[in-house]
Amino acid sequence: SQQGEEDPQALSIQEGENATMNCSYKTSINNLQWYRQNSGRGLVHLILIRSNEREKHSGRLRVTLDTSKKSSSLLITASRAADTASYFCATVIQGAQKLVFGQGTRLTINP
Amino acid sequence: DTEVTQTPKHLVMGMTNKKSLKCEQHMGHRAMYWYKQKAKKPPELMFVYSYEKLSINESVPSRFSPECPNSSLLNLHLHALQPEDSALYLCASSQPNEREGNEQFFGPGTRLTVL
Repeated sequence: SQQGEEDPQALSIQEGENATMNCSYKTSINNLQWYRQNSGRGLVHLILIRSNEREKHSGRLRVTLDTSKKSSSLLITASRAADTASYFCATVIQGAQKLVFGQGTRLTINP
Repeated sequence: DTEVTQTPKHLVMGMTNKKSLKCEQHMGHRAMYWYKQKAKKPPELMFVYSYEKLSINESVPSRFSPECPNSSLLNLHLHALQPEDSALYLCASSQPNEREGNEQFFGPGTRLTVL
Protein backbone atom coordinates (compact mmCIF):
# COMPACT_ATOMS: atom_id res chain seq x y z
CA SER A 1 0.00 0.00 0.00
CA GLN A 2 1.17 3.53 -0.66
CA GLN A 3 2.68 5.38 2.26
CA GLY A 4 1.96 8.93 1.21
CA GLU A 5 -1.04 10.92 0.23
CA GLU A 6 -0.60 14.18 -1.62
CA ASP A 7 -2.82 17.18 -1.75
CA PRO A 8 -3.95 18.61 -4.07
CA GLN A 9 -4.03 15.96 -6.79
CA ALA A 10 -3.87 18.72 -9.40
CA LEU A 11 -2.92 22.39 -9.21
CA SER A 12 -3.09 25.03 -11.92
CA ILE A 13 -1.62 28.49 -11.33
CA GLN A 14 -0.34 31.48 -13.26
CA GLU A 15 3.34 31.95 -13.98
CA GLY A 16 5.01 33.92 -11.22
CA GLU A 17 2.69 32.68 -8.48
CA ASN A 18 3.79 30.35 -5.71
CA ALA A 19 2.76 26.69 -5.67
CA THR A 20 2.32 24.66 -2.50
CA MET A 21 1.92 20.91 -2.38
CA ASN A 22 1.33 18.81 0.71
CA CYS A 23 2.21 15.24 1.58
CA SER A 24 1.05 13.10 4.48
CA TYR A 25 2.45 9.75 5.48
CA LYS A 26 1.58 6.99 7.89
CA THR A 27 4.62 5.39 9.52
CA SER A 28 7.85 6.61 11.08
CA ILE A 29 10.40 7.69 8.51
CA ASN A 30 14.15 8.20 8.17
CA ASN A 31 13.80 10.92 5.58
CA LEU A 32 11.36 12.34 3.08
CA GLN A 33 12.26 13.18 -0.49
CA TRP A 34 10.58 15.16 -3.25
CA TYR A 35 10.86 14.23 -6.93
CA ARG A 36 9.67 15.86 -10.13
CA GLN A 37 8.52 13.97 -13.23
CA ASN A 38 7.95 15.57 -16.58
CA SER A 39 5.31 13.83 -18.66
CA GLY A 40 6.22 10.20 -19.35
CA ARG A 41 9.85 10.60 -18.35
CA GLY A 42 12.12 9.63 -15.48
CA LEU A 43 12.01 11.21 -12.05
CA VAL A 44 14.40 13.92 -10.94
CA HIS A 45 15.38 14.23 -7.29
CA LEU A 46 14.65 17.70 -5.91
CA ILE A 47 15.38 17.68 -2.21
CA LEU A 48 15.81 15.38 0.79
CA ILE A 49 14.84 16.34 4.33
CA ARG A 50 15.84 14.16 7.27
CA SER A 51 13.51 13.28 10.10
CA ASN A 52 15.40 15.57 12.51
CA GLU A 53 15.12 18.59 10.18
CA ARG A 54 12.14 20.93 10.04
CA GLU A 55 12.84 23.06 6.99
CA LYS A 56 15.16 23.00 4.01
CA HIS A 57 15.74 25.31 1.05
CA SER A 58 17.14 24.73 -2.42
CA GLY A 59 16.91 27.60 -4.88
CA ARG A 60 13.19 28.37 -5.37
CA LEU A 61 12.18 25.29 -3.38
CA ARG A 62 11.28 25.25 0.30
CA VAL A 63 10.38 22.02 2.06
CA THR A 64 9.01 21.65 5.56
CA LEU A 65 8.60 18.52 7.63
CA ASP A 66 6.36 18.06 10.66
CA THR A 67 6.98 14.59 12.08
CA SER A 68 4.36 15.06 14.80
CA LYS A 69 1.70 15.52 12.11
CA LYS A 70 3.42 13.13 9.69
CA SER A 71 3.27 15.72 6.95
CA SER A 72 5.51 17.69 4.60
CA SER A 73 5.01 20.55 2.20
CA LEU A 74 6.84 21.67 -0.93
CA LEU A 75 6.71 25.34 -1.88
CA ILE A 76 7.86 26.49 -5.30
CA THR A 77 8.24 30.25 -5.42
CA ALA A 78 7.98 32.45 -8.52
CA SER A 79 6.77 29.58 -10.67
CA ARG A 80 7.81 29.21 -14.31
CA ALA A 81 6.25 27.35 -17.23
CA ALA A 82 9.13 24.85 -17.00
CA ASP A 83 7.92 23.85 -13.52
CA THR A 84 4.93 22.14 -15.13
CA ALA A 85 5.29 18.50 -14.06
CA SER A 86 4.10 15.93 -11.56
CA TYR A 87 5.61 16.18 -8.09
CA PHE A 88 5.92 13.18 -5.79
CA CYS A 89 6.90 12.91 -2.17
CA ALA A 90 8.65 9.70 -1.20
CA THR A 91 9.41 8.32 2.21
CA VAL A 92 12.18 6.00 3.30
CA ILE A 93 10.62 3.68 5.82
CA GLN A 94 12.73 2.99 8.88
CA GLY A 95 14.55 -0.29 8.57
CA ALA A 96 13.64 -0.66 4.91
CA GLN A 97 15.84 0.09 1.95
CA LYS A 98 13.11 1.41 -0.25
CA LEU A 99 11.24 4.52 -1.26
CA VAL A 100 7.48 4.59 -1.10
CA PHE A 101 5.92 7.28 -3.26
CA GLY A 102 2.84 9.37 -2.65
CA GLN A 103 0.12 9.67 -5.28
CA GLY A 104 1.61 12.89 -6.67
CA THR A 105 0.44 16.39 -7.53
CA ARG A 106 0.11 17.39 -11.18
CA LEU A 107 1.21 21.02 -11.39
CA THR A 108 0.38 23.17 -14.41
CA ILE A 109 1.90 26.64 -14.77
CA ASN A 110 -0.04 28.82 -17.18
CA PRO A 111 1.93 31.50 -19.05
CA ASP B 1 28.65 11.04 -15.40
CA THR B 2 25.41 11.40 -13.45
CA GLU B 3 23.20 9.64 -15.92
CA VAL B 4 21.23 6.42 -15.78
CA THR B 5 20.53 5.05 -19.24
CA GLN B 6 17.80 2.63 -20.21
CA THR B 7 17.25 0.71 -23.42
CA PRO B 8 15.07 0.38 -25.32
CA LYS B 9 13.00 3.57 -25.00
CA HIS B 10 9.91 1.79 -26.32
CA LEU B 11 9.08 -1.90 -26.55
CA VAL B 12 6.06 -3.65 -28.01
CA MET B 13 5.81 -7.37 -27.40
CA GLY B 14 3.34 -10.20 -27.65
CA MET B 15 2.36 -12.35 -24.72
CA THR B 16 4.54 -15.22 -25.92
CA ASN B 17 7.68 -13.16 -26.51
CA LYS B 18 10.82 -13.02 -24.41
CA LYS B 19 12.50 -9.66 -24.14
CA SER B 20 14.89 -7.82 -21.84
CA LEU B 21 15.12 -4.29 -20.50
CA LYS B 22 18.57 -2.91 -19.81
CA CYS B 23 19.81 -0.26 -17.41
CA GLU B 24 23.32 1.14 -16.95
CA GLN B 25 24.96 3.65 -14.62
CA HIS B 26 28.55 4.76 -14.16
CA MET B 27 28.22 6.72 -10.94
CA GLY B 28 29.70 3.97 -8.80
CA HIS B 29 26.36 3.33 -7.15
CA ARG B 30 26.02 -0.08 -5.53
CA ALA B 31 22.22 -0.12 -5.23
CA MET B 32 19.97 -0.42 -8.26
CA TYR B 33 16.20 -0.55 -8.51
CA TRP B 34 13.38 -1.47 -10.87
CA TYR B 35 10.05 0.37 -10.64
CA LYS B 36 6.81 -0.04 -12.56
CA GLN B 37 4.63 3.01 -13.23
CA LYS B 38 1.13 2.99 -14.68
CA ALA B 39 -0.34 6.14 -16.21
CA LYS B 40 -1.14 8.88 -13.68
CA LYS B 41 0.09 6.70 -10.80
CA PRO B 42 3.25 6.84 -8.69
CA PRO B 43 6.16 4.47 -9.33
CA GLU B 44 5.87 1.14 -7.53
CA LEU B 45 9.00 -0.65 -6.41
CA MET B 46 9.62 -4.06 -7.96
CA PHE B 47 13.19 -5.09 -7.08
CA VAL B 48 16.24 -3.78 -5.24
CA TYR B 49 19.79 -4.97 -5.78
CA SER B 50 22.42 -4.04 -3.22
CA TYR B 51 26.06 -4.88 -3.96
CA GLU B 52 24.86 -6.99 -6.90
CA LYS B 53 22.67 -9.16 -4.68
CA LEU B 54 18.87 -9.15 -4.77
CA SER B 55 17.79 -7.62 -1.47
CA ILE B 56 14.12 -6.82 -2.07
CA ASN B 57 11.51 -8.50 -4.26
CA GLU B 58 8.14 -6.86 -3.79
CA SER B 59 6.23 -10.08 -4.56
CA VAL B 60 6.65 -9.55 -8.28
CA PRO B 61 5.28 -12.32 -10.56
CA SER B 62 7.93 -14.72 -11.86
CA ARG B 63 7.33 -13.59 -15.45
CA PHE B 64 9.61 -10.69 -14.45
CA SER B 65 13.17 -11.87 -13.77
CA PRO B 66 15.83 -9.37 -12.68
CA GLU B 67 19.55 -9.79 -13.15
CA CYS B 68 22.52 -7.74 -12.02
CA PRO B 69 25.57 -8.92 -14.01
CA ASN B 70 27.88 -6.32 -12.44
CA SER B 71 27.79 -3.14 -10.41
CA SER B 72 26.97 -0.98 -13.46
CA LEU B 73 24.32 -3.06 -15.17
CA LEU B 74 20.79 -4.13 -14.33
CA ASN B 75 18.53 -6.20 -16.56
CA LEU B 76 14.88 -7.11 -16.37
CA HIS B 77 13.97 -10.23 -18.33
CA LEU B 78 10.38 -10.47 -19.49
CA HIS B 79 8.53 -13.64 -20.45
CA ALA B 80 4.87 -14.48 -21.01
CA LEU B 81 3.68 -11.04 -19.99
CA GLN B 82 0.05 -9.99 -19.80
CA PRO B 83 -1.53 -6.86 -21.32
CA GLU B 84 -1.91 -5.42 -17.81
CA ASP B 85 1.91 -5.41 -17.53
CA SER B 86 1.97 -2.54 -20.03
CA ALA B 87 3.56 0.38 -18.19
CA LEU B 88 6.62 2.62 -17.91
CA TYR B 89 9.50 0.68 -16.35
CA LEU B 90 11.97 2.84 -14.52
CA CYS B 91 15.45 1.98 -13.38
CA ALA B 92 17.19 3.90 -10.61
CA SER B 93 20.47 3.79 -8.73
CA SER B 94 21.86 5.14 -5.49
CA GLN B 95 24.51 4.63 -2.90
CA PRO B 96 23.22 1.92 -0.57
CA ASN B 97 22.16 3.17 2.84
CA GLU B 98 19.95 0.66 4.53
CA ARG B 99 19.57 2.77 7.62
CA GLU B 100 18.55 6.11 6.14
CA GLY B 101 18.13 5.83 2.39
CA ASN B 102 19.72 8.12 -0.19
CA GLU B 103 18.49 10.07 -3.17
CA GLN B 104 17.90 7.92 -6.19
CA PHE B 105 18.89 8.75 -9.76
CA PHE B 106 16.34 7.63 -12.32
CA GLY B 107 16.66 6.67 -15.95
CA PRO B 108 14.17 7.92 -18.57
CA GLY B 109 12.28 4.64 -18.54
CA THR B 110 11.17 2.03 -21.06
CA ARG B 111 7.59 2.34 -22.28
CA LEU B 112 6.37 -1.27 -22.56
CA THR B 113 3.25 -2.31 -24.45
CA VAL B 114 2.09 -5.93 -24.27
CA LEU B 115 -0.32 -6.96 -27.00
